[in-house]
Amino acid sequence: QVQLQESGPRLVKPSETLSLTCAVSGDSITSYYWNWIRQPPGKGLEWIGFTHHSGATSYNPSLKSRVTTSVDTSKNQFSLRLSSVTAADTAVYYCAKWAGSPEAFDIWGQGTMVAVSS
Amino acid sequence: EVVLTQFPGTLSLSPGERATLSCRASQSISSTHLVWYQQKPGQAPRLLIYGAYSRATGIPDRFSGSGSGTDFTLTISRLEPEDFAVYYCQQYSSLLLTFGGGTKVEIK
Repeated sequence: QVQLQESGPRLVKPSETLSLTCAVSGDSITSYYWNWIRQPPGKGLEWIGFTHHSGATSYNPSLKSRVTTSVDTSKNQFSLRLSSVTAADTAVYYCAKWAGSPEAFDIWGQGTMVAVSS
Repeated sequence: EVVLTQFPGTLSLSPGERATLSCRASQSISSTHLVWYQQKPGQAPRLLIYGAYSRATGIPDRFSGSGSGTDFTLTISRLEPEDFAVYYCQQYSSLLLTFGGGTKVEIK
């Protein structure tokens, strides 16, 4: 059974870069598409983007200019970088596996709360 | 970008009642690309229904999905206490994914 675990700083200053990592256990990261999703406090889910070990990526158009994702096959983990953050980027950040079958987010990390504040 | 609108925003029902949740897409989408999730407070979302109709592994048969084109429905035939939660629909097309705003099913 695949398990995902997010890690990274819980507090980021405005205008700086938010960096998170998702460790994958139970399967190879060379399978599937790996995603980031966020949820501001009390609000709904927002897809940030996906990354694949081949280098393929796709990002939410509203965040595309600030988002970078990557895969580290040697560590079986993938990462998110979100630049020029503001208070609006305060959210719980989830990593999630997009399965080929079923075509859905079938495995999620527990989520990590990141606050943007000086 | 496909926008998903969920309604109602909140559904107040009693255990044992039937819940009908709607998800409307701003343009026609393939049924195979429509997914439903359940989220409880403090937890990550859980996959319920994929391909508009198919229950994920371990999901009880009181949950069912239907619909096509722009209108999709999640039905919970008889609400159990553990079903009170927020439900999200999600679609993907052209390598872009979007979520609906969610429907909260609360105890009346």
